[in-house]
Amino acid sequence: DAKTTQPNSMESNEEEPVHLPCNHSTISGTDYIHWYRQLPSQGPEYVIHGLTSNVNNRMASLAIAEDRKSSTLILHRATLRDAAVYYCILRMVGNEKLTFGTGTRLTIIP
Amino acid sequence: GAVVSQHPSWVICKSGTSVKIECRSLDFQATTMFWYRQFPKQSLMLMATSNEGSKATYEQGVEKDKFLINHASLTLSTLTVTSAHPEDSSFYICSARTGAGSNQPQHFGDGTRLSIL
Repeated sequence: DAKTTQPNSMESNEEEPVHLPCNHSTISGTDYIHWYRQLPSQGPEYVIHGLTSNVNNRMASLAIAEDRKSSTLILHRATLRDAAVYYCILRMVGNEKLTFGTGTRLTIIP
Repeated sequence: GAVVSQHPSWVICKSGTSVKIECRSLDFQATTMFWYRQFPKQSLMLMATSNEGSKATYEQGVEKDKFLINHASLTLSTLTVTSAHPEDSSFYICSARTGAGSNQPQHFGDGTRLSIL
């Protein structure tokens, strides 16, 4: 699977938007971009995924660069419950597996 | 949404004991489930892919005789850590997909924390 690069950690103030970046310069045309998050002492939770177009759901938005070499997960209004490790994962067509990197540890400041 | 349930949530047992962990898809059928292991302050590492009605596929370096996987129904996969030792202490997490295709999300259980004394 193509590799992703994320900052190790980020901080954000409560009730402000958060932009979590992910670089994936070796992405192939059939790789989906998936985001998961893991709260402390829990299993990961699906957040959002996309291929080429920007995506919105009730949890977040995913902005995908035109060349697809980077993407940004946007939390529109962070709450304390959004404190977690966020993983950006590329998933190739035909590959069922998810390969987790080190992710970004997001801290929310009250 | 789709729910995956793991049991037990945590286990403490003596060295040499075998421990079974259950993973259930509660509101959907899962032909494929996945087992991960996570050591403290590290990321998740895929151990094996569990296939309903057939043998599991293990990742390189994972001992299949040590970590026995059974996926006898479309809603249940089990992981048995045989003759567990302190180095097997870890957070074990299962996941399942609701549908086929690499654009389908995986749904994870809340994990099982295994401590071997």
